[in-house]
Order: sequence, then C-alpha cells, then structure tokens
Amino acid sequence: GQNIDQPTEMTATEGAIVQINCTYQTSGFNGLFWYQQHAGEAPTFLSYNVLDGLEEKGRFSSFLSRSKGYSYLLLKELQMKDSASYLCAVREGAGANNLFFGTGTRLTVIP
Amino acid sequence: EPEVTQTPSHQVTQMGQEVILRCVPISNHLYFYWYRQILGQKVEFLVSFYNNEISEKSEIFDDQFSVERPDGSNFTLKIRSTKLEDSAMYFCASNRDSGYNEQFFGPGTRLTVL
Repeated sequence: GQNIDQPTEMTATEGAIVQINCTYQTSGFNGLFWYQQHAGEAPTFLSYNVLDGLEEKGRFSSFLSRSKGYSYLLLKELQMKDSASYLCAVREGAGANNLFFGTGTRLTVIP
Repeated sequence: EPEVTQTPSHQVTQMGQEVILRCVPISNHLYFYWYRQILGQKVEFLVSFYNNEISEKSEIFDDQFSVERPDGSNFTLKIRSTKLEDSAMYFCASNRDSGYNEQFFGPGTRLTVL
C-alpha cells in the first residue's frame, strides 16, 4: 500500500521561491514523480526521481531521499501561471508503471 | 507534438446505464492507463494495459469496469450499470515503454451520473 502526504495549500509571492514537500510510505519503491495540474485540466509531468539527490529542470527542481521517504519540489522565480495543484506520485514494484498520487498541494501565487 | 485525446469531454448519464469512454493514446506508446479523479480528491489509479491485456488493476476496478483496445488506435473504458459515485473525471494516459518514465495524460472525460 501507499501513504503519500503533502500540504493541502500554499501561498507564495510572484518572483519568490517555494518548496513543496512530500512524504511517502510504500513497499517496493520504484520512483517518485511530480505533476502539475491546473484546475479542470489533466496532470502534466514535471519531474522524476528514483535515486537520492536533486534533479534540476529549468525553474523546477526535485529532491529525493529514499531513506527518509521524502521529496520536495522547488519552484524558483515564481510566475502567476504557476498557480496550480502540484501532485506527488510514487510508483511501486519492478516493472509496474501505475502511479499512486497524493492529494496534491494547491499553490496560489500572489502579486 | 503528439498528445493523448479523449472523447467525449463530458458525458451525462442516468444511474444504471452503461457508458464507454474513449481514448486515443500516442501512436508509438505501448502502455495505457485509466485513472479517475473525483471532484476535489486525488487522482486514483484504475488499470494498466499492455500487449492487449490488463497488467495491473486497483481495488476500484471491479467487475463493473472493463477495458478494451478494439483496434490499433483506440483504448476504451466501459462502466456497466453506473452509480452516482462513479461521477468523476476519467483520465487516460500512455507511455512509450516500461523504462520510459513520463506518462502523458489526456484531457479527461467528465462523467456525471444522475
């Protein structure tokens, strides 16, 4: 089974940096994903971590610590369009591809 | 850029009726998925499909549900005898192979059961 926990809501200022945390408990961990979801739209892929450390992708970075069951998504130089829900998801089991999502963190960027 | 498409965008049905939700995955993708998201709740895995058969399914995916790839391009989710609690956004997703990590999601079908 999976237990994925992330804050429900966050607010940050345009141009600032925000860190969204995710903790998870799962058996057979095989990767952690971050997706962005605007209201009423489909999730879109942001990042993937399977080894410990930081993955950087433009304004977005994602960190993973497998021993702590912890990840964060870092968004830099926030823009108004970054207002969305950010979904943490884990994949379990070798060969398995289905994702198990957290409830998501709704980020509001204010001027 | 290739994308996953889904039809219809919104389906309204009466309780007890059958619905078929349709998806066209990206053409060179081999793995297909259905997820659902009840309004205000998390995205939930339903089923994965590979090589013309179900590879995994969740507890939600009971005998009420079935999937099919009737031809080389479509991937369908059938819900028999719909219930009020089946009202949700249903997302189709695909990825190229098991070693490729990004799943591409379609825009979703909003199912409303009255």
